[in-house]
Amino acid sequence: AQSVTQPDIHITVSEGASLELRCNYSYGATPYLFWYVQSPGQGLQLLLKYFSGDTLVQGIKGFEAEFKRSQSSFNLRKPSVHWSDAAEYFCAVGAPYGGSQGNLIFGKGTKLSVKP
Amino acid sequence: KAGVTQTPRYLIKTRGQQVTLSCSPISGHRSVSWYQQTPGQGLQFLFEYFSETQRNKGNFPGRFSGRQFSNSRSEMNVSTLELGDSALYLCASSLRSRQETQYFGPGTRLLVL
Repeated sequence: AQSVTQPDIHITVSEGASLELRCNYSYGATPYLFWYVQSPGQGLQLLLKYFSGDTLVQGIKGFEAEFKRSQSSFNLRKPSVHWSDAAEYFCAVGAPYGGSQGNLIFGKGTKLSVKP
Repeated sequence: KAGVTQTPRYLIKTRGQQVTLSCSPISGHRSVSWYQQTPGQGLQFLFEYFSETQRNKGNFPGRFSGRQFSNSRSEMNVSTLELGDSALYLCASSLRSRQETQYFGPGTRLLVL
């Protein structure tokens, strides 16, 4: 069955420190991959996406993610975290083809806290 | 271009009642998907509509239904509300198909008492 695993439920980093959020997926083929961010009481904002091509993708707010096919991973990184990055981050996969499995499958999320 | 809008933003209902939530997609987007978000189950797919037709449905009981209008606006309805239906209901739109990037609205927070 398709699934997305975000192993870290909660991460705390100091402002200015680097960040890496982990995401592993189980899928029959290479899916479309997404990272979304959600601030408290808000909807989901797209940070970045991978469909094909260059495995290192750049997103908004200084985030990047690297797709590693051999590890079925799509980890999110940021070199220097800002206090405003405190939020919950969701990794999601979607089917790269038509059919009945086109909906997004989300991980459980990683809550990021930033220490001043 | 305006984003996805959802109304109402907050709703309080009692068990047994029914509720209708509304979603207006980004202009030009024809696909609308609905998700339920709860602390225990996370984000779960409800259903997706494209050109007024339901194309895909998640694993939810028949009390959850939806529809899409000719202008791509969508509504979802939950009948006979249960306490467990308390959740944030998120709507997402994409240009043509669910395989494309989905853009999310702010959600409707439903509390069932």
